[in-house]
Amino acid sequence: GEDVEQSLFLSVREGDSSVINCTYTDSSSTYLYWYKQEPGAGLQLLTYIFSNMDMKQDQRLTVLLNKKDKHLSLRIADTQTGDSAIYFCAPIKAAGNKLTFGGGTRVLVKP
Amino acid sequence: EAGVAQSPRYKIIEKRQSVAFWCNPISGHATLYWYQQILGQGPKLLIQFQNNGVVDDSQLPKDRFSAERLKGVDSTLKIQPAKLEDSAVYLCASSLDPPTSGIMGAQYFGPGTRLLVL
Repeated sequence: GEDVEQSLFLSVREGDSSVINCTYTDSSSTYLYWYKQEPGAGLQLLTYIFSNMDMKQDQRLTVLLNKKDKHLSLRIADTQTGDSAIYFCAPIKAAGNKLTFGGGTRVLVKP
Repeated sequence: EAGVAQSPRYKIIEKRQSVAFWCNPISGHATLYWYQQILGQGPKLLIQFQNNGVVDDSQLPKDRFSAERLKGVDSTLKIQPAKLEDSAVYLCASSLDPPTSGIMGAQYFGPGTRLLVL
Protein backbone atom coordinates (compact mmCIF):
# COMPACT_ATOMS: atom_id res chain seq x y z
CA GLY A 1 0.00 0.00 0.00
CA GLU A 2 0.88 3.69 -0.04
CA ASP A 3 3.34 5.02 2.54
CA VAL A 4 0.78 7.51 3.89
CA GLU A 5 -2.97 7.06 3.57
CA GLN A 6 -5.77 9.48 4.28
CA SER A 7 -9.49 9.44 3.61
CA LEU A 8 -10.43 11.56 0.62
CA PHE A 9 -13.24 13.70 1.93
CA LEU A 10 -14.83 14.96 5.14
CA SER A 11 -17.97 17.05 5.45
CA VAL A 12 -18.71 18.83 8.74
CA ARG A 13 -21.15 21.45 10.00
CA GLU A 14 -19.83 24.80 11.19
CA GLY A 15 -19.23 24.71 14.94
CA ASP A 16 -18.77 20.94 15.09
CA SER A 17 -15.44 19.17 15.56
CA SER A 18 -13.56 17.69 12.59
CA VAL A 19 -11.31 14.66 12.86
CA ILE A 20 -8.91 13.90 10.03
CA ASN A 21 -7.16 10.55 10.13
CA CYS A 22 -3.87 9.35 8.68
CA THR A 23 -2.04 6.04 8.68
CA TYR A 24 1.61 5.64 7.76
CA THR A 25 4.04 2.78 7.29
CA ASP A 26 7.44 4.05 8.43
CA SER A 27 7.59 3.25 12.14
CA SER A 28 10.90 5.11 12.45
CA SER A 29 9.31 8.48 11.61
CA THR A 30 10.57 11.04 14.11
CA TYR A 31 8.34 14.02 13.36
CA LEU A 32 4.87 14.09 11.84
CA TYR A 33 3.47 17.28 10.35
CA TRP A 34 0.05 18.52 9.35
CA TYR A 35 -0.26 20.97 6.46
CA LYS A 36 -3.30 22.89 5.15
CA GLN A 37 -3.75 23.82 1.49
CA GLU A 38 -6.42 26.31 0.48
CA PRO A 39 -7.53 26.57 -3.18
CA GLY A 40 -4.82 28.02 -5.39
CA ALA A 41 -2.34 28.32 -2.55
CA GLY A 42 0.76 26.58 -1.29
CA LEU A 43 0.90 24.41 1.82
CA GLN A 44 0.65 26.06 5.22
CA LEU A 45 2.29 24.36 8.19
CA LEU A 46 -0.38 23.86 10.86
CA THR A 47 1.28 21.82 13.56
CA TYR A 48 3.58 18.90 14.21
CA ILE A 49 4.16 16.18 16.80
CA PHE A 50 7.33 14.45 17.88
CA SER A 51 7.18 10.66 17.84
CA ASN A 52 7.71 10.30 21.60
CA MET A 53 4.50 12.26 22.27
CA ASP A 54 1.00 10.88 22.08
CA MET A 55 -0.88 14.17 22.12
CA LYS A 56 -0.27 17.80 21.34
CA GLN A 57 -2.76 20.65 21.67
CA ASP A 58 -2.45 23.99 19.94
CA GLN A 59 -5.49 26.26 20.34
CA ARG A 60 -8.28 24.63 18.29
CA LEU A 61 -5.99 21.88 17.01
CA THR A 62 -5.33 18.57 18.77
CA VAL A 63 -2.94 16.02 17.32
CA LEU A 64 -3.12 12.42 18.52
CA LEU A 65 -0.44 9.87 17.72
CA ASN A 66 -0.77 6.12 18.16
CA LYS A 67 2.72 4.99 17.34
CA LYS A 68 1.92 1.30 17.82
CA ASP A 69 -0.80 1.43 15.18
CA LYS A 70 1.03 4.09 13.10
CA HIS A 71 -2.06 6.26 13.22
CA LEU A 72 -2.14 10.04 13.39
CA SER A 73 -5.18 12.26 13.70
CA LEU A 74 -5.90 15.97 13.64
CA ARG A 75 -8.92 17.28 15.50
CA ILE A 76 -10.19 20.77 14.76
CA ALA A 77 -12.53 22.10 17.43
CA ASP A 78 -15.33 24.55 16.59
CA THR A 79 -14.76 24.16 12.85
CA GLN A 80 -15.22 27.35 10.86
CA THR A 81 -15.89 27.95 7.15
CA GLY A 82 -12.30 29.17 6.85
CA ASP A 83 -11.16 25.67 7.77
CA SER A 84 -12.43 24.37 4.42
CA ALA A 85 -9.27 23.17 2.68
CA ILE A 86 -7.20 20.10 1.92
CA TYR A 87 -5.24 18.73 4.87
CA PHE A 88 -2.05 16.73 4.39
CA CYS A 89 -0.39 14.40 6.84
CA ALA A 90 3.39 14.27 6.33
CA PRO A 91 5.66 12.10 8.45
CA ILE A 92 9.40 12.29 8.09
CA LYS A 93 10.63 9.22 6.26
CA ALA A 94 13.67 8.15 8.21
CA ALA A 95 15.50 6.87 5.15
CA GLY A 96 16.71 9.98 3.41
CA ASN A 97 15.10 12.37 5.94
CA LYS A 98 12.31 13.22 3.53
CA LEU A 99 8.75 14.34 4.13
CA THR A 100 6.26 11.89 2.66
CA PHE A 101 2.85 13.34 1.88
CA GLY A 102 -0.45 11.54 1.89
CA GLY A 103 -3.01 12.27 -0.82
CA GLY A 104 -4.77 14.79 1.39
CA THR A 105 -8.24 14.99 2.94
CA ARG A 106 -10.60 17.58 1.51
CA VAL A 107 -12.62 19.14 4.34
CA LEU A 108 -15.84 20.94 3.49
CA VAL A 109 -17.43 23.01 6.24
CA LYS A 110 -21.14 23.66 5.77
CA PRO A 111 -22.80 26.69 7.37
CA GLU B 1 9.26 37.80 7.85
CA ALA B 2 8.80 37.37 4.11
CA GLY B 3 7.73 33.93 2.97
CA VAL B 4 8.93 31.80 0.10
CA ALA B 5 8.52 33.64 -3.20
CA GLN B 6 7.89 31.92 -6.51
CA SER B 7 7.40 33.16 -10.05
CA PRO B 8 5.65 32.99 -12.35
CA ARG B 9 2.38 32.03 -10.68
CA TYR B 10 0.92 30.59 -13.88
CA LYS B 11 2.40 29.31 -17.12
CA ILE B 12 0.83 27.81 -20.21
CA ILE B 13 3.11 26.26 -22.82
CA GLU B 14 2.89 23.77 -25.65
CA LYS B 15 4.49 20.35 -25.42
CA ARG B 16 8.14 20.22 -26.38
CA GLN B 17 8.64 23.83 -25.28
CA SER B 18 10.91 24.84 -22.41
CA VAL B 19 9.92 26.50 -19.16
CA ALA B 20 11.73 27.77 -16.08
CA PHE B 21 10.51 28.48 -12.57
CA TRP B 22 12.17 30.66 -9.96
CA CYS B 23 12.18 30.41 -6.18
CA ASN B 24 13.48 32.70 -3.46
CA PRO B 25 13.48 30.94 -0.05
CA ILE B 26 12.99 32.47 3.37
CA SER B 27 16.09 34.41 4.34
CA GLY B 28 18.59 32.25 6.20
CA HIS B 29 17.02 28.93 5.23
CA ALA B 30 19.78 26.58 4.17
CA THR B 31 17.61 23.83 2.73
CA LEU B 32 15.48 24.28 -0.38
CA TYR B 33 13.07 21.80 -1.97
CA TRP B 34 11.19 21.56 -5.25
CA TYR B 35 8.00 19.50 -5.31
CA GLN B 36 5.60 18.50 -8.06
CA GLN B 37 1.94 18.34 -7.13
CA ILE B 38 -0.34 16.72 -9.68
CA LEU B 39 -4.03 17.55 -9.36
CA GLY B 40 -5.67 15.50 -6.61
CA GLN B 41 -2.38 14.23 -5.16
CA GLY B 42 0.05 15.19 -2.44
CA PRO B 43 3.34 16.88 -3.30
CA LYS B 44 6.16 14.69 -4.56
CA LEU B 45 9.74 15.73 -3.88
CA LEU B 46 11.78 16.38 -7.01
CA ILE B 47 15.01 17.73 -5.57
CA GLN B 48 16.48 18.91 -2.26
CA PHE B 49 19.37 21.34 -1.89
CA GLN B 50 21.47 21.99 1.20
CA ASN B 51 22.99 25.41 0.58
CA ASN B 52 24.07 25.08 -3.07
CA GLY B 53 24.67 21.32 -3.03
CA VAL B 54 22.20 18.64 -4.11
CA VAL B 55 21.16 16.32 -1.26
CA ASP B 56 18.54 14.26 -3.07
CA ASP B 57 17.49 14.28 -6.72
CA SER B 58 16.43 10.65 -6.97
CA GLN B 59 12.88 11.55 -8.12
CA LEU B 60 13.95 14.18 -10.65
CA PRO B 61 13.45 13.07 -14.30
CA LYS B 62 16.92 14.11 -15.29
CA ASP B 63 16.38 13.61 -19.01
CA ARG B 64 14.14 16.70 -19.05
CA PHE B 65 14.28 18.38 -15.64
CA SER B 66 17.19 20.34 -14.22
CA ALA B 67 17.60 22.55 -11.19
CA GLU B 68 20.28 24.74 -9.73
CA ARG B 69 20.80 26.84 -6.66
CA LEU B 70 23.64 29.18 -7.32
CA LYS B 71 25.15 30.95 -4.29
CA GLY B 72 22.94 28.91 -1.99
CA VAL B 73 19.97 31.27 -2.12
CA ASP B 74 17.64 31.48 -5.15
CA SER B 75 16.88 28.43 -7.23
CA THR B 76 15.56 27.72 -10.71
CA LEU B 77 13.82 24.59 -11.97
CA LYS B 78 13.77 23.99 -15.71
CA ILE B 79 11.83 21.59 -17.90
CA GLN B 80 13.10 20.99 -21.42
CA PRO B 81 11.24 19.71 -23.38
CA ALA B 82 7.88 19.69 -21.58
CA LYS B 83 5.41 16.82 -21.88
CA LEU B 84 1.67 16.80 -21.29
CA GLU B 85 2.13 14.85 -18.06
CA ASP B 86 4.25 17.70 -16.62
CA SER B 87 1.06 19.71 -16.08
CA ALA B 88 1.06 20.25 -12.33
CA VAL B 89 1.76 22.75 -9.59
CA TYR B 90 5.45 23.18 -8.84
CA LEU B 91 6.00 24.05 -5.22
CA CYS B 92 9.16 25.42 -3.68
CA ALA B 93 9.78 25.05 0.04
CA SER B 94 12.58 25.94 2.42
CA SER B 95 13.63 25.00 5.92
CA LEU B 96 16.13 26.31 8.42
CA ASP B 97 17.64 22.89 8.95
CA PRO B 98 17.25 19.43 7.43
CA PRO B 99 13.93 17.74 8.19
CA THR B 100 15.13 15.79 11.21
CA SER B 101 15.28 18.92 13.29
CA GLY B 102 11.63 19.09 14.26
CA ILE B 103 10.16 22.54 13.96
CA MET B 104 13.59 23.79 12.90
CA GLY B 105 13.37 21.40 9.99
CA ALA B 106 9.76 22.20 9.19
CA GLN B 107 9.26 23.14 5.58
CA TYR B 108 7.60 26.39 4.55
CA PHE B 109 6.03 26.50 1.13
CA GLY B 110 5.64 29.16 -1.51
CA PRO B 111 2.37 29.70 -3.42
CA GLY B 112 3.45 27.48 -6.30
CA THR B 113 3.61 27.81 -10.09
CA ARG B 114 0.72 26.29 -11.99
CA LEU B 115 1.94 24.79 -15.25
CA LEU B 116 -0.36 23.71 -18.04
CA VAL B 117 1.20 21.90 -20.98
CA LEU B 118 -1.00 21.78 -24.11
